[in-house]
Amino acid sequence: RKEVEQDPGPFNVPEGATVAFNCTYSNSASQSFFWYRQDCRKEPKLLMSVYSSGNEDGRFTAQLNRASQYISLLIRDSKLSDSATYLCVVTYSGNTPLVFGKGTRLSVIA
Amino acid sequence: DTGVSQNPRHKITKRGQNVTFRCDPISEHNRLYWYRQTLGQGPEFLTYFQNEAQLEKSRLLSDRFSAERPKGSFSTLEIQRTEQGDSAMYLCASSLASTVAGELFFGEGSRLTVL
Repeated sequence: RKEVEQDPGPFNVPEGATVAFNCTYSNSASQSFFWYRQDCRKEPKLLMSVYSSGNEDGRFTAQLNRASQYISLLIRDSKLSDSATYLCVVTYSGNTPLVFGKGTRLSVIA
Repeated sequence: DTGVSQNPRHKITKRGQNVTFRCDPISEHNRLYWYRQTLGQGPEFLTYFQNEAQLEKSRLLSDRFSAERPKGSFSTLEIQRTEQGDSAMYLCASSLASTVAGELFFGEGSRLTVL
C-alpha cells in the first residue's frame, strides 16, 4: 500500500462549484499534513497546512481525521485559476522528508 | 531572483552517459532536498542535506545516483550510466530547519530525457 493515496481525477467542475478531495495515509505515526498545489509544468508550492482542528484559508478548507487516517481539501466557489494538481503531503516529524501523494487534477470550466 | 535555481533546465542524453544537475538553494536555507517526478506522479524523495551533511540517502534509486553539497551551499545530483527509466523531472527544494516542517521551496526542475 502506498504511503499516501489520492484519487488522480481529473475532477472537471464548473466555475462557482464546490469540490472536495480526499487523501488517505498509511502510517499512523504521521504527524504533519499539508496540501501543495502544482500548476501544469511548474514546481509544487505549499497551499496550506492541515491542523487537527481543521483550518480555513479563504475559499479553502482543510480537515484531518486521524482515526480514519485521511485528509480532505474543500474548495468553495471554484475559480478558473484553481485549475491545477493538488498534492497531499505527510511527514512523520520535523526531521523527516515530505512524502507526496500522486496528486488530484482539478479542471475548473467556464 | 532569490528563489531556488536549477541548472540545466533541460538535458537530453544518450543511454550510458553521465549527467549532473546543479541546485542553488535560497541563500539562508540550510536544508536542501532532491526529488524526482515522473508524469502523473507526485514528487518522489531521493535525498536531503542539512548544511553539508547528507542526512538521508537510502531512497536514492540505485548506486548510479549520488549527490553532494560540499560547502553547504549549492548541491549537485549525478546520475551515472543513465538508463531510459531515468527520464524524469529532477526537483530541488530548500528550507530552513527551524521553520514549519512542511514548507519547501522548489526550483523549476531539471528535465532529463534519456534516449
